[in-house]
Amino acid sequence: SAVISQKPSRDICQRGTSLTIQCQVDSQVTMMFWYRQQPGQSLTLIATANQGSEATYESGFVIDKFPISRPNLTFSTLTVSNMSPEDSSIYLCSAPLLAGGRNEQFFGPGTRLTVL
Amino acid sequence: GENVEQHPSTLSVQEGDSAVIKCTYSDSASNYFPWYKQELGKRPQLIIDIRSNVGEKKDQRIAVTLNKTAKHFSLHITETQPEDSAVYFCAAPTGSGNTGKLIFGQGTTLQVKP
Repeated sequence: SAVISQKPSRDICQRGTSLTIQCQVDSQVTMMFWYRQQPGQSLTLIATANQGSEATYESGFVIDKFPISRPNLTFSTLTVSNMSPEDSSIYLCSAPLLAGGRNEQFFGPGTRLTVL
Repeated sequence: GENVEQHPSTLSVQEGDSAVIKCTYSDSASNYFPWYKQELGKRPQLIIDIRSNVGEKKDQRIAVTLNKTAKHFSLHITETQPEDSAVYFCAAPTGSGNTGKLIFGQGTTLQVKP
């Protein structure tokens, strides 16, 4: 079955610094997505990472804060810039992948970020 | 854009009882409705989904029903077991209704008491 991996799995960072999260999919996909899940909360879509074009951001999220790269069809990065404690969250990437003949949305294991 | 509301936020049942979680959505063009289960510290995993051309789908102890007219869909778990304890999320696609870009409900924490 298809696999989505993320690095790092967790990190503790100082405020004002930046962290880049990597997401690797083991098959080529057109779209990849980045979500944030704050403690005890639901998943909130940050942006769609499009290969060959700029990411598309959801309301409340901006490129300067969450720059995204998508250099090829299997990889994407999300950077959390100029971090503050409010950015402490789990960040998950996802992609629609074929399973049982149909597209399903699979998630990476998440990156647990703590900002001090 | 799509808006998804999920109820209840918490649900506690005795082992063997049934559990029902309900969601409503706003975009009448949505045509795909997945349910995810997230165990503590783990990634969300798809447990069942339904497309708008059917009104009900079953997979062993899990079923999902869809009422397109009323724009709501529900997850039904029968004969609950302690391992069903988790957070459950419903979702619906935004925009054109593809399965890629999902908006999630607020989540339901299900506790199954042995």
